[in-house]
Amino acid sequence: EDQVTQSPEALRLQEGESSSLNCSYTVSGLRGLFWYRQDPGKGPEFLFTLYSAGEEKEKERLKATLTKKESFLHITAPKPEDSATYLCAVQAANSGYALNFGKGTSLLVTP
Amino acid sequence: GAVVSQHPSWVICKSGTSVKIECRSLDFQATTMFWYRQFPKQSLMLMATSNEGSKATYEQGVEKDKFLINHASLTLSTLTVTSAHPEDSSFYICSAGTPGNEQFFGPGTRLTVL
Repeated sequence: EDQVTQSPEALRLQEGESSSLNCSYTVSGLRGLFWYRQDPGKGPEFLFTLYSAGEEKEKERLKATLTKKESFLHITAPKPEDSATYLCAVQAANSGYALNFGKGTSLLVTP
Repeated sequence: GAVVSQHPSWVICKSGTSVKIECRSLDFQATTMFWYRQFPKQSLMLMATSNEGSKATYEQGVEKDKFLINHASLTLSTLTVTSAHPEDSSFYICSAGTPGNEQFFGPGTRLTVL
């Protein structure tokens, strides 16, 4: 059975303090790994899709990387507006394009 | 990124009534749309996959007669919660897939059943 585990559950950073969020996964044939940001009471906002081990993508202060077992979302010099829940999801090759989500990491960045 | 809208954004209804939620892809055609539900402090759980012009595929444990899904066009899918009960109260979110395999989510619909 496909599994997605995100850690830590919650993370508190000071503004400017860089860190990484982890997403470990087991899936029978990975089609893609997705990262989203979700603010309270809103739908997830698309960040990245990664398809193969070694792939990296960047967007502003965020950088996502992928290995065969896990993905990291690196946040460089975060700002308070980066506070949100970050969701990781895997898309299995036999899933018909549906996403299987982890429970998320709740990030709080304080000034 | 592509835009997906949902309507209504929130709804309160009495137990036993039916509620329809619309999901639209505004600037692209989505052959596949997905419906998820999210309980407080929990992640998104897939309910069903909806393909334009064909019957939806429901996840195990999701009652297809209770959650009716219609995908009548490449830009519109609807979810109808029939005979809603308090335990159906949740945050319902749709997503639409692009040809490039990106998935964009709507803003969600908060359903409260009294």
